[in-house]
Amino acid sequence: GDSVTQMEGPVTLSEEAFLTINCTYTATGYPSLFWYVQYPGEGLQLLLKATKADDKGSNKGFEATYRKETTSFHLEKGSVQVSDSAVYFCALSYTYGQNFVFGPGTRLSVLP
Amino acid sequence: DAEITQSPRHKITETGRQVTLACHQTWNHNNMFWYRQDLGHGLRLIHYSYGVQDTNKGEVSDGYSVSRSNTEDLPLTLESAASSQTSVYFCASRPGTGNTEAFFGQGTRLTVV
Repeated sequence: GDSVTQMEGPVTLSEEAFLTINCTYTATGYPSLFWYVQYPGEGLQLLLKATKADDKGSNKGFEATYRKETTSFHLEKGSVQVSDSAVYFCALSYTYGQNFVFGPGTRLSVLP
Repeated sequence: DAEITQSPRHKITETGRQVTLACHQTWNHNNMFWYRQDLGHGLRLIHYSYGVQDTNKGEVSDGYSVSRSNTEDLPLTLESAASSQTSVYFCASRPGTGNTEAFFGQGTRLTVV
């Protein structure tokens, strides 16, 4: 079956540091890939997505590239802020509104 | 604005009691999902529905049931609550077509004592 693996953390960085959160997947087909973010006490919000190989998703300074050859979708940001402290989930899904398969989540703490 | 709401936000119940968690969305999405979130496991799918009168089991469906009598609501019922069902529960909805995101509710924190 399909699965998503990501570094669980916690990851602690200083403000303005470079962020990478690794995500790899196993899929039986050709899924779309997503990064969701969960701020404390809230539900999940879409951060970015990519629907096919070599696509790059980007939002709020975060980027991730769909790498089919390495089955990866690593999340990066050049300079993190304290407000980026949250839990980040990598996920995959197929078209036609099917359910998501989530990774375990990575907790990020950014210190001032 | 369209939204998805869960109620209650917090619930404490006793072992063996039946509990129902509500989920209501106003986007008119065909697809709705229930997940539970536990440390170290991320989000795991409990049940899902692709339309009215359609329900399907997810990977952790034992002890849970859902029903879909209209487009807007997908209530989740714990038939006989167990301590292992202490968790945070999230409802989500998504259009039935296209490659779009899912929209999540704020979550319900359930404690079974």
